[in-house]
Amino acid sequence: SQQGEEDPQALSIQEGENATMNCSYKTSINNLQWYRQNSGRGLVHLILIRSNEREKHSGRLRVTLDTSKKSSSLLITASRAADTASYFCATDAGGTSYGKLTFGQGTILTVHP
Amino acid sequence: NAGVTQTPKFQVLKTGQSMTLQCAQDMNHEYMSWYRQDPGMGLRLIHYSVGAGITDQGEVPNGYNVSRSTTEDFPLRLLSAAPSQTSVYFCASSYRGEQYFGPGTRLTVT
Repeated sequence: SQQGEEDPQALSIQEGENATMNCSYKTSINNLQWYRQNSGRGLVHLILIRSNEREKHSGRLRVTLDTSKKSSSLLITASRAADTASYFCATDAGGTSYGKLTFGQGTILTVHP
Repeated sequence: NAGVTQTPKFQVLKTGQSMTLQCAQDMNHEYMSWYRQDPGMGLRLIHYSVGAGITDQGEVPNGYNVSRSTTEDFPLRLLSAAPSQTSVYFCASSYRGEQYFGPGTRLTVT
């Protein structure tokens, strides 16, 4: 079963706008990660946030984590056409399951030039 | 570094045939995993290894075998292919929790 559920399933915006994607999960986690997948390619790691962190930045990416609500969000600021891709959240439960990721179904982001 | 490599890129099998998907990494990562991705879905973990000689089942292990004789290689064997195994297969290695994915193998079982 999928641990993470992502919202929205698809997002269409204009270049320069911000894109926000949300991820909810069901069980406690050690960390949560976001990945990007361009069409027909493998996944690329974007950012990892640990359960004791609330916010993390990397370039134009901002990730928040609310463990009380079991949710995370990925914000891409000043989007570009090259950001067009599918974005997945993945949770790592840690402990004996450390390194075994459970992925959400993804958000398809389309950025129009 | 080549990173994570997978072969073949494409494969068509008939029902009942067996084959091995190859995966290799040159980053000396202890953790390696196999996932499958079906249309419109995220990735589901098939099998997992924390080091040479150690493997573990993931969410959807049935119909697949793995072994890990070296740190570098983690092949996935389909024992008797079924149409339900039509999918894109990704291998990944992991360091400090972050996973590095190969380009994938697109498998069709007819």
